[in-house]
Amino acid sequence: SQTIHQWPATLVQPVGSPLSLECTVEGTSNPNLYWYRQAAGRGLQLLFYSVGIGQISSEVPQNLSASRPQDRQFILSSKKLLLSDSGFYLCAWSGVDNQPQHFGDGTRLSIL
Amino acid sequence: AQTVTQSQPEMSVQEAETVTLSCTYDTSESDYYLFWYKQPPSRQMILVIRQEAYKQQNATENRFSVNFQKAAKSFSLKISDSQLGDAAMYFCAHQGAQKLVFGQGTRLTINP
Repeated sequence: SQTIHQWPATLVQPVGSPLSLECTVEGTSNPNLYWYRQAAGRGLQLLFYSVGIGQISSEVPQNLSASRPQDRQFILSSKKLLLSDSGFYLCAWSGVDNQPQHFGDGTRLSIL
Repeated sequence: AQTVTQSQPEMSVQEAETVTLSCTYDTSESDYYLFWYKQPPSRQMILVIRQEAYKQQNATENRFSVNFQKAAKSFSLKISDSQLGDAAMYFCAHQGAQKLVFGQGTRLTINP
């Protein structure tokens, strides 16, 4: 069966520091991969999605970037974190053709 | 652009009773899917139920069912025999062209 792993679960970083959140999927090949951010008490906002290695689509202008160096690996990065980058970050995967998205357990990011 | 609206920020129901959560959406796509996701305090996003837009029959998953009104662009979730474990944030979502758009969520409280 397919599983998705996201780490770390919690991260506290100072303003201006770099960021790297990692997400990996097992048990499937060529998944669609997604990064979302959820502000407190709000819905999910799509940040990036990828349909293949090296293919990244950005949904909103921001301080973050994403990369997909391997088929089942999706990385969310920043060179310099801002206070506004705080939030709950969720990675998800899906098969093709509007299959449901399945989510990781999320990373709670706090910027001090 | 697709939008999803959940007009009920909070709902509560007595244990064992039935509750309906509302969702409306706007889309220009003819082929799409609709989902309800549940997010308990652990903040995992759990798929509750899905509906293909081309299917007229309402989806059902055990105690969860939907009322899909395509012309009205309405997609409500009915939870029967509510249980304490149903307490969570519920998100309605529209998926078309690989992108999932979420509503702002409804917080459901179950009163014992």
